[in-house]
Amino acid sequence: KAGVTQTPRYLIKTRGQQVTLSCSPISGHRSVSWYQQTPGQGLQFLFEYFSETQRNKGNFPGRFSGRQFSNSRSEMNVSTLELGDSALYLCASSLPTPQHGYTFGSGTRLTVV
Amino acid sequence: AQSVSQHNHHVILSEAASLELGCNYSYGGTVNLFWYVQYPGQHLQLLLKYFSGDPLVKGIKGFEAEFIKSKFSFNLRKPSVQWSDTAEYFCAVRVLQDSNYQLIWGAGTKLIIKP
Repeated sequence: KAGVTQTPRYLIKTRGQQVTLSCSPISGHRSVSWYQQTPGQGLQFLFEYFSETQRNKGNFPGRFSGRQFSNSRSEMNVSTLELGDSALYLCASSLPTPQHGYTFGSGTRLTVV
Repeated sequence: AQSVSQHNHHVILSEAASLELGCNYSYGGTVNLFWYVQYPGQHLQLLLKYFSGDPLVKGIKGFEAEFIKSKFSFNLRKPSVQWSDTAEYFCAVRVLQDSNYQLIWGAGTKLIIKP
């Protein structure tokens, strides 16, 4: 079955702009989590969505937001981009009770210039 | 606050050497434990997981990990590494926080295997 699909793979944006990233989970997975990965901070949890509701949120400013659609696809939005937002953004999907672990996408590499 | 510690940030081994990567967490409640691997240029993949039962867990590619509750540890082991094991390894712990489950990640260990 198809894995977790993230689009786009690469993105270059200018400081102050906004960006929207997309994640399509594995079919049947209703939970989608987002992470930011940077060399300095490692993997940091952004938020998790389940059945179109944000179930959990990490310690990121309000500029980072997300949503989930009825087909479980999720989008993440970052407004007023800062240079420090440059990172690999990862999406992971899982069943509601992730006994089988989380399956990750390849990520979107965002560069803010 | 809950945290996950991976003590070694970089490990360099020769092929056929034995491997043990440390992972300790700070959380007193029930935990689910994971090891993920990220090969160069690839996405994170699940190596193994522990939810309950036998604390010695076997994963893919010859990896295993042992959950020692009294030590809050979940160390990853492999008896004989190969050059293809060069990757970054992440330990993650799923805890119940504020009525929701959250996955807390270690900083990762970069493993380099010399041929």
